Amino acid sequence: DVKVTQSSRYLVKRTGEKVFLECVQDMDHENMFWYRQDPGLGLRLIYFSYDVKMKEKGDIPEGYSVSREKKERFSLILESASTNQTSMYLCASSLAGISSGNTIYFGEGSWLTVV
Amino acid sequence: AQSVTQLDSQVPVFEEAPVELRCNYSSSVSVYLFWYVQYPNQGLQLLLKYLSGSTLVKGINGFEAEFNKSQTSFHLRKPSVHISDTAEYFCAVTNGFTGGGNKLTFGTGTQLKVEL
Repeated sequence: DVKVTQSSRYLVKRTGEKVFLECVQDMDHENMFWYRQDPGLGLRLIYFSYDVKMKEKGDIPEGYSVSREKKERFSLILESASTNQTSMYLCASSLAGISSGNTIYFGEGSWLTVV
Repeated sequence: AQSVTQLDSQVPVFEEAPVELRCNYSSSVSVYLFWYVQYPNQGLQLLLKYLSGSTLVKGINGFEAEFNKSQTSFHLRKPSVHISDTAEYFCAVTNGFTGGGNKLTFGTGTQLKVEL
């Protein structure tokens, strides 16, 4: 079974703190993604990576950065957390080529509250 | 650009009744369509996907969806729901031409609530 593991399920951080959300996958997937999920807005793509050290901005990259130093690990960084970044964050991974039939697998999510 | 519209934010239904969750998409090129389910406090799980071929796609847990190109729709159906189907359902689309990652664009979700 594919496993996408998000290291923290629940976090509470203060405004202005630097926050790291870590994600690890165990299936040698090329693609990794960070989504943000908010009620009524669905999932919105923050960043994705299709190879080590490669990254591309998604739909809402402002206020976030990412790091992919190893194939299995994809980190989301909030440089200076703000209250409007309180949300559920979902990490996902897949083999290259979703349109070729490869499934995206999701982690269980990280609930971040910024106070 | 691609987009997905799920018009119904909530769908209440009685157990053993049929249900249809609606999804419409827009894209200027060929699309690949997906339905995901999210149970409370969990990540998303793939229900089914349409890539090509037969327009009627069968997925897990008795769900199916029909791709209708002329109506740009991909509605999800189940003939008889169970209480355990209570969850949030997301429709998603990719056109496969968005770069190396083939990113998915998701709809806003439909909360299915099955009542006894």
